[in-house]
Amino acid sequence: GIQVEQSPPDLILQEGANSTLRCNFSDSVNNLQWFHQNPWGQLINLFYIPSGTKQNGRLSATTVATERYSLLYISSSQTTDSGVYFCAGLKTSYDKVIFGPGTSLSVIP
Amino acid sequence: SAVISQKPSRDICQRGTSLTIQCQVDSQVTMMFWYRQQPGQSLTLIATANQGSEATYESGFVIDKFPISRPNLTFSTLTVSNMSPEDSSIYLCSVQFTVAMNTEAFFGQGTRLTVV
Repeated sequence: GIQVEQSPPDLILQEGANSTLRCNFSDSVNNLQWFHQNPWGQLINLFYIPSGTKQNGRLSATTVATERYSLLYISSSQTTDSGVYFCAGLKTSYDKVIFGPGTSLSVIP
Repeated sequence: SAVISQKPSRDICQRGTSLTIQCQVDSQVTMMFWYRQQPGQSLTLIATANQGSEATYESGFVIDKFPISRPNLTFSTLTVSNMSPEDSSIYLCSVQFTVAMNTEAFFGQGTRLTVV
């Protein structure tokens, strides 16, 4: 099955700093999503991005499908950005979604 | 997109008891998915629930421990049976929508279970 790696596993940022999170897939995927899990456990959809670049406020994501990786950019980080960021993908619509191990982000004032 | 309502949002249960988690979706879906997230870990798929048939369980998960019901196209329940402290986790239900070969997953808010 598809293997998903994420880096870094943990990240501590000063409020206002920028960061880049990376996700690598062992095989090509037709679906790639980024999620933010807040401290209460809720998974929030950030981006559906099988390829290309998308931006939403301070967050943006880029997926290079041919090289099987995706990047999540967080600019001007805020304490509310803290939590765990997961990337996830699946190969076809009949497959299960495979999650990466996550990046735990702490933004300190 | 989808609105997925999951309840309870959290519970503290005694070992040896069972808890049933409900998941309601605001539109009809063929498959509903149940995930477990153990403390500090990523999400692991427990089973896929299709309406009108038995759920399909992933390796390491069995029906006796995690019975699932799927009575219609918008609702499913997951029961965690004969609980032990090792079952303390977040349980999430999920649906996937496919449009023109693009499949996107959506999740309920999760049920945080603590077994004492």
